[in-house]
Amino acid sequence: NAGVMQNPRHLVRRRGQEARLRCSPMKGHSHVYWYRQLPEEGLKFMVYLQKENIIDESGMPKERFSAEFPKEGPSILRIQQVVRGDSAAYFCASSHGPVKEQYFGPGTRLTVT
Amino acid sequence: SQQGEEDPQALSIQEGENATMNCSYKTSINNLQWYRQNSGRGLVHLILIRSNEREKHSGRLRVTLDTSKKSSSLLITASRAADTASYFCATDNAGNMLTFGGGTRLMVKP
Repeated sequence: NAGVMQNPRHLVRRRGQEARLRCSPMKGHSHVYWYRQLPEEGLKFMVYLQKENIIDESGMPKERFSAEFPKEGPSILRIQQVVRGDSAAYFCASSHGPVKEQYFGPGTRLTVT
Repeated sequence: SQQGEEDPQALSIQEGENATMNCSYKTSINNLQWYRQNSGRGLVHLILIRSNEREKHSGRLRVTLDTSKKSSSLLITASRAADTASYFCATDNAGNMLTFGGGTRLMVKP
């Protein structure tokens, strides 16, 4: 049973470029969560999605950030026109149902130069 | 502000000793979960304790929950060097997400 997959594991972008982070949930899981972790800090919730629906995006910055979870394929977290402050580790988690026990992927470490 | 706050922020012990980490939170919860994160890696789920439970065990881990004090503790007994990691508590307050604390960085010296 494959766990939560995220790719790429490391991503370097210059300021102003776009970053696309992908997450494939565990088999059988239809609930996906994205979290951001700054160095030496805990995880901060960004967005919660089910297939084709954004359920809660209360943690998403109002501009430049978007997320989707299409009917087919992985969930995508997209950051447009990246800035240095976007440098962080972005973790995806999936679960059987709302919240429950969440299983985390290995994360994507974004570095903006 | 964060829902969960871990205490201490950092803990250094010798192998074989017990490690206790505490977590306090602010609002009512459905359950509280503890996770471990090795440096540069993802989070590993350790244990979930529901709001109507007071204590739970899993191997060398013991978790307590005091809803009247809005606090939880994680005890790791007979620690090993491999237990070196950051430990986070996360609360589920019937919203759509887990709310994480800042973590306790545990170092176990061989």
